[in-house]
Amino acid sequence: NAGVTQTPKFQVLKTGQSMTLQCAQDMNHNSMYWYRQDPGMGLRLIYYSASEGTTDKGEVPNGYNVSRLNKREFSLRLESAAPSQTSVYFCASSEWGGTDAEKLFFGSGTQLSVL
Amino acid sequence: RKEVEQDPGPFNVPEGATVAFNCTYSNSASQSFFWYRQDCRKEPKLLMSVYSSGNEDGRFTAQLNRASQYISLLIRDSKLSDSATYLCVVNSNTNAGKSTFGDGTTLTVKP
Repeated sequence: NAGVTQTPKFQVLKTGQSMTLQCAQDMNHNSMYWYRQDPGMGLRLIYYSASEGTTDKGEVPNGYNVSRLNKREFSLRLESAAPSQTSVYFCASSEWGGTDAEKLFFGSGTQLSVL
Repeated sequence: RKEVEQDPGPFNVPEGATVAFNCTYSNSASQSFFWYRQDCRKEPKLLMSVYSSGNEDGRFTAQLNRASQYISLLIRDSKLSDSATYLCVVNSNTNAGKSTFGDGTTLTVKP
């Protein structure tokens, strides 16, 4: 049971480059999320998708875009990377509305460095 | 003031010790509460939910005090494997996307 899979695990970009982080879940969850975690800090929500076909901004959306491709997949795009976007990115999903509502299941993370 | 605040620690305790972490939250409308565990450079994993009546899972006990707006996590008989960062998570709404994370409390259990 794979759970939440995100790729790549590591990425180094130059300022101004673009890239897309991929995320897929096989738990049939309705909701998916992208978080970033900076050293010594908790997770901050970038964007989320409460259900297929919807996306909403979180706490720190500037510089990012997302696509909920289908129920399984939720991608995060950096159009023009900046050093301030150096961080660890986590994708997560939850069975919103079910008995496990609000419980988050995370992917293993992407370490992104922008030079 | 942060919406969810935790003592960052670090807490350094010997094996077998009992250790407690507190977490305070500012939004009185918060509805659900969780403790997650995060190992170094790994993803957070749900440790336990926190209910108003308090709940226990083996050596771990979580409690909620709505009047004072804090939740706690008690770990008894600490093991080396308990060394991790413990994240307090508060959900303020019935809609998705409303989970707020504390910055975490780091625990190191030493032989």
